[in-house]
Amino acid sequence: TQLLEQSPQFLSIQEGENLTVYCNSSSVFSSLQWYRQEPGEGPVLLVTVVTGGEVKKLKRLTFQFGDARKDSSLHITAAQPGDTGLYLCAGGGNNNDMRFGAGTRLTVKP
Amino acid sequence: ETGVTQSPTHLIKTRGQQVTLRCSSQSGHNTVSWYQQALGQGPQFIFQYYREEENGRGNFPPRFSGLQFPNYSSELNVNALELDDSALYLCASSFIALRAGGVRETQYFGPGTRLLVL
Repeated sequence: TQLLEQSPQFLSIQEGENLTVYCNSSSVFSSLQWYRQEPGEGPVLLVTVVTGGEVKKLKRLTFQFGDARKDSSLHITAAQPGDTGLYLCAGGGNNNDMRFGAGTRLTVKP
Repeated sequence: ETGVTQSPTHLIKTRGQQVTLRCSSQSGHNTVSWYQQALGQGPQFIFQYYREEENGRGNFPPRFSGLQFPNYSSELNVNALELDDSALYLCASSFIALRAGGVRETQYFGPGTRLLVL
């Protein structure tokens, strides 16, 4: 079972729109990571958030870690077709593993 | 490009057969983790190898086994394949400065091997 719940599961928007996807858990994580995965490829790390309340920006992407370190959000401004992909959040488990959410599949239409 | 390579890219097997998947880690990395990603799901942790020894295992049966070699490349072996083993198998390499319980490292994923069991 996944400890991390991601929402929405699917999101289809027009180019230029803004969007936010969420990653929630009942567990506290020392850090959370966000990945993007494109078809036929492995996940690519976008960012790691470590401190509760932390906000990190990566061009048009803004990542926030919740104050209690149980949740995180990813906001994309002015989405572009190149942003299309599966967005995964992941946190460290107790067994040297990374626990992944099921992901949000984003489609940005031109 | 993460520098992590996997082979083969695709594989078709029949139920009951055995399969070996391979992973070459990024230069300088000493740890390899294997994940199974079913269609529409996030990756599920299978196990991790650090300096040729298993360093953590997820909820997978013993027919999933692995090896790590002195050059830190790795193999995932699955015996007695079942239909539900059909998935994308990902390996991720990283550098751990300390053994289990150490600082959480960044993992770099390969492109995966897509396995279909008929």
